[in-house]
Amino acid sequence: NAGVTQTPKFQVLKTGQSMTLQCAQDMNHNSMYWYRQDPGMGLRLIYYSASEGTTDKGEVPNGYNVSRLNKREFSLRLESAAPSQTSVYFCASSEMGLRQETQYFGPGTRLLVL
Amino acid sequence: AQSVTQLDSHVSVSEGTPVLLRCNYSSSYSPSLFWYVQHPNKGLQLLLKYTSAATLVKGINGFEAEFKKSETSFHLTKPSAHMSDAAEYFCVVTRLSDYKLSFGAGTTVTVRA
Repeated sequence: NAGVTQTPKFQVLKTGQSMTLQCAQDMNHNSMYWYRQDPGMGLRLIYYSASEGTTDKGEVPNGYNVSRLNKREFSLRLESAAPSQTSVYFCASSEMGLRQETQYFGPGTRLLVL
Repeated sequence: AQSVTQLDSHVSVSEGTPVLLRCNYSSSYSPSLFWYVQHPNKGLQLLLKYTSAATLVKGINGFEAEFKKSETSFHLTKPSAHMSDAAEYFCVVTRLSDYKLSFGAGTTVTVRA
C-alpha cells in the first residue's frame, strides 16, 4: 500500500515549456487535490476532483489544467511554464471529500522554472 | 470567510522542554481544525484533528491540541520535545463553502540538543 505517489520528484523547466505532473493513489479514495506550497504561504489549492469525472478550480488555478484520468490518477498540466510557477506541488486524496476527513499527501514535486 | 493565523513563524526549543505552537482561526461557524506536520523534503502528515467532539484532542507522537471557541484558538502542545520533532507545522481549517482546506503559513520548529 503505497498511499499517494507523485512523479517526478524534481523537474527543471525553461519558460514556455510544458509538462505534466502525475499523481496516483491506491486507497480507493473518491476525492483528489493539487496544491502548491510557497514559502510563508502554506499550501494553496490549485484544482480538485470531488469524484471521478469531475474537476473544479481552487484558489490559484490560472496557468494550470487537470485531468482525472480514472479513480486512481489525477494529473496536473502546465501548458506554458512561467517562473512564477516555481514551487513545490503536492497531490492529496481523501475518501469522500467531507469536511472532517483527513487528506493524505504525496511526497511532492519540486519544480524550478527558469 | 474562514482563515487561519499561525502566530509564530519559527519556534526554537531545547530537547526535553515543552513545545507550544499557536494557531488562531476566524470562522462564522464551528469549524473542523487540523494540525499537519511536514518533515524536510517530505509530504504532509496528519498530527491530529478536531471535529466538534472533545475539545482536547490527542494526536500522534505525544502532541495534543485544545479547541477554545471563546478564544478562537487551536494551539498545539507537546510536554517534551524530541529531536525528531524538528519540522514545519501547519494549522488548517475547513472552509464552510466547499469543505476545502485553508492552510496557515506554517511554523518551523527547531530543536536544540
